[in-house]
Amino acid sequence: DIVMTQSPDSLAVSLGERATINCRSSQSDLYSSNNKYNVAWYQQKPGQSPKLLIYWASTRESGVPDRFSGSGSGTDFTLTISSLQAEDVAVYYCQQYYSTPYTFGQGTKLEI
Amino acid sequence: EVQLVESGGGLVQPGGSLRLSCAASGFTFRNYWMSWVRQAPGKGLEWVANIKEDGSEKYFVDSVRGRFTISRDNAKNSLYLQMNNLRAEDTAEYYCARDKGLELPSDYWGQGTLVTVSS
Repeated sequence: DIVMTQSPDSLAVSLGERATINCRSSQSDLYSSNNKYNVAWYQQKPGQSPKLLIYWASTRESGVPDRFSGSGSGTDFTLTISSLQAEDVAVYYCQQYYSTPYTFGQGTKLEI
Repeated sequence: EVQLVESGGGLVQPGGSLRLSCAASGFTFRNYWMSWVRQAPGKGLEWVANIKEDGSEKYFVDSVRGRFTISRDNAKNSLYLQMNNLRAEDTAEYYCARDKGLELPSDYWGQGTLVTVSS
């Protein structure tokens, strides 16, 4: 199975500041048939279901604010929140959907 | 509006069985892969299984293979997870999710149904 490892486990960022969450995969060739990385990022707020933010490592899901961006290649991927808002407090997960089982990172808790 | 509503969770003894259901609406159910993802209390997300649009392909995480079965009824817009020989470690919130497309992640999730395995 592909292991996804996130860092840090928790992060405290001031309002308006940048937040960066990292995700490393145990396998490097997570390419889809369109030469994009099959890596997604989700946001889960307390008591809620996960919400898809980013797919193909850098494509923002419809309706997601543009302060959220994804980047990366090879084995290293990053979710960046450019200017933290109060409503961004949540746990963030990366996921590879290249091969089953579609594994998630352990999660990063983002606080203010 | 896409809606996914899970049901069937509850308290079950170790070794018991439970069948989860997911009622889908707001989209053409038969055109999408569907998944089950679970989350143990206070823990992270774990992908459990998925099923192709026509039910012809199914995949499972190793920890449930042989004990869980995923199925769907496209005429009823419903997804199912039959869970047998349940263990304490299967205790979790179980989410039904729609896969966005071929080689794409889940884009819509239900609110979940809680399964507790305990004597």
